[in-house]
Amino acid sequence: DAGITQSPRHKVTETGTPVTLRCHQTENHRYMYWYRQDPGHGLRLIHYSYGVKDTDKGEVSDGYSVSRSKTEDFLLTLESATSSQTSVYFCATSAENEQFFGPGTRLTVL
Amino acid sequence: DQQVKQNSPSLSVQEGRISILNCDYTNSMFDYFLWYKKYPAEGPTFLISISSIKDKNEDGRFTVFLNKSAKHLSLHIVPSQPGDSAVYFCAASGSRSKLVFGQGTRLTINP
Repeated sequence: DAGITQSPRHKVTETGTPVTLRCHQTENHRYMYWYRQDPGHGLRLIHYSYGVKDTDKGEVSDGYSVSRSKTEDFLLTLESATSSQTSVYFCATSAENEQFFGPGTRLTVL
Repeated sequence: DQQVKQNSPSLSVQEGRISILNCDYTNSMFDYFLWYKKYPAEGPTFLISISSIKDKNEDGRFTVFLNKSAKHLSLHIVPSQPGDSAVYFCAASGSRSKLVFGQGTRLTINP
């Protein structure tokens, strides 16, 4: 397994508050991704990164921003959380074809 | 617009029998396909993959079949074991850096 950690693992927040989720990898993989998992939708790509300071939008990027200032860290920010952003968030990394996933962060927005 | 579809949300199979999970895709530019397995409260883990130049790839109890003309792939698990109970996601890629996932199928292996 690629060494991927996510923090926090669980978070409960209120509507309108900013939230930042962190993904940290120890494998020096070039690519990093943020997904959300919701019932009936599988895994949907939010944002991804090709390298330091090189990011792009996925299919469900509205309301989210990302930053990657170091190879090992990829941050996902919800500028003003909404109840529709209650979900499980997964970070992933890849060097070539397969993606390796972190353990996930369960976010609840009240 | 779901480019990768898993039409069976759940599947129940007797231990020792064959499990067959199906996946359909619409984008003919996809050329690499993967299956992931996910246990509760864990991240998905890579299981097996297949390139579009092949129609079959086997790894132990797991075999993936690809039918390009039908835009269909399937995962066969034989024999099925209780530890195979999990959610299975198929994924497709047209560029090596991005994957599109299906909705997942929950497989339950009954003793």
